[in-house]
Amino acid sequence: DAGVIQSPRHEVTEMGQEVTLRCKPISGHNSLFWYRQTMMRGLELLIYFNNNVPIDDSGMPEDRFSAKMPNASFSTLKIQPSEPRDSAVYFCASSFTLLRGGRGEQYFGPGTRLTVT
Amino acid sequence: DQQVKQNSPSLSVQEGRISILNCDYTNSMFDYFLWYKKYPAEGPTFLISISSIKDKNEDGRFTVFLNKSAKHLSLHIVPSQPGDSAVYFCAASGWTEYGNKLVFGAGTILRVKS
Repeated sequence: DAGVIQSPRHEVTEMGQEVTLRCKPISGHNSLFWYRQTMMRGLELLIYFNNNVPIDDSGMPEDRFSAKMPNASFSTLKIQPSEPRDSAVYFCASSFTLLRGGRGEQYFGPGTRLTVT
Repeated sequence: DQQVKQNSPSLSVQEGRISILNCDYTNSMFDYFLWYKKYPAEGPTFLISISSIKDKNEDGRFTVFLNKSAKHLSLHIVPSQPGDSAVYFCAASGWTEYGNKLVFGAGTILRVKS
């Protein structure tokens, strides 16, 4: 398996532009998570999907952020308009959970480093 | 409100010695605790975990200890090697009706000096 795939790996954009980050989870996984890594807060959960349905988006910082999962093999995180404070590394992760009792291990992609100037 | 805290931003250890990374949590309902390791320009990778009903789990050079009464866990690496230099994230796993959700700490940067 190729693991979780994210694109692009690096994105540099100007303030006010729209940014779209993409993620392909591991085949067969039923949950997908978007995280943002910053020095101060570490790994923050932005939103997660279960069976393609958004479950908890309470971590999404503002209405400028939106996420979709149109099918089991693809998800996007969009920032519109982007601001310099959005600069961070964004990770996508996936997992498979069927019944309570497992440890809930998540598999992470390599991340997208976003720089907004 | 941070449910999982790693109070040491960084740790420096000599090669061959023990590295001890600490983590505190507030929610007693977590089922599992996991440690992830992250190298620069890569995503975090799972390292070791412990169930909330255990107090110790060992895997080679890595051992995780859980003290439920203190809501504290620690990761011991013995002996430490230069290749262990990375960011270590502590995570707590909680069950929801939609599956497991992980809550991460801010991470600790470990530097192992040769």
